[in-house]
Amino acid sequence: QVQLQESGPGLVKPSETLSLTCTVSGYSISSGYYWGWIRQPPGKGLEWIGNIYHSGSTYYNPSLKSRVTISADTSKNQFSLKLSSVTAADTAVYYCARVGGVVTVTPTFDDWGQGTLVTVSS
Amino acid sequence: SYVLTQPPSVSVAPGKTASITCGGNNIGSKSVHWYQQKPGQAPVLVIYYDSDRPSGIPERFSGSNSGNTATLTISRVEAGDEADYYCQVWDSSSDHVLFGGGTKLTVL
Repeated sequence: QVQLQESGPGLVKPSETLSLTCTVSGYSISSGYYWGWIRQPPGKGLEWIGNIYHSGSTYYNPSLKSRVTISADTSKNQFSLKLSSVTAADTAVYYCARVGGVVTVTPTFDDWGQGTLVTVSS
Repeated sequence: SYVLTQPPSVSVAPGKTASITCGGNNIGSKSVHWYQQKPGQAPVLVIYYDSDRPSGIPERFSGSNSGNTATLTISRVEAGDEADYYCQVWDSSSDHVLFGGGTKLTVL
C-alpha cells in the first residue's frame, strides 16, 4: 500500500518561500501516477495546489500558478512543493496525495499523507 | 470560472438516510468524486466517477449525478459517519481541480 509523508518547516516568515517534501513509500513514483498537493486553511475547505508526473509534467491551480513550483526526485522517491512570497493567507495544513483516475479528465486523490501544518508568521 | 456549491451542513438521525448535494452548471457532464474528512484526519475518497466505491468503503455510501446536481447518499447513517464531506471535479476549461466548499454531516 502506498504511504505518503509530508515534511518541512512548520513556520515560515511572510514574503519567504514555503518548502515541503513528500516522501512516498510502498510505490516507486517513477513507475507511474501523478502526485499532488492540496492544502486546507484552518477551519476551511480543501484547495488544490497542483499535480506532477515523475517526468516533470505539471498542472497548477491557476490562482497559485505564479508562486508555485512542484518538482520530483525519483532517486529519493520524493516530490516537493515550493510556494513563494507567502502571506498569512497561505497558513494551512498541506497534504500530499497520489492521483488516480485520468489526470487531465477526471483525477481523484486516492491516497493521502497525514498533512503538515505550515504557519506563516513573523 | 466553474463553481461547486454544497450546503454548509446536513443533520440526520442515526439509521436514517443522509443526502449531501453538490451543485454546478451541467455537473452531470462531469465525473464527481466525494471525500470524507473526520476531525484531525486527512480526507478519504468514498465515491469516485459519480457512483463507484473504492474497496473498503461500505455499500451504505452511494452517489448519483445528473443535470446540475450530484448527490452523495449515506444510508443507515451511523455515528461514525459524522464528518465533513467534499465533492470534487476536474474543470477542463482551465485544467483545474475544484473542490466544493464542504458539508458538515451531523448525526443527531
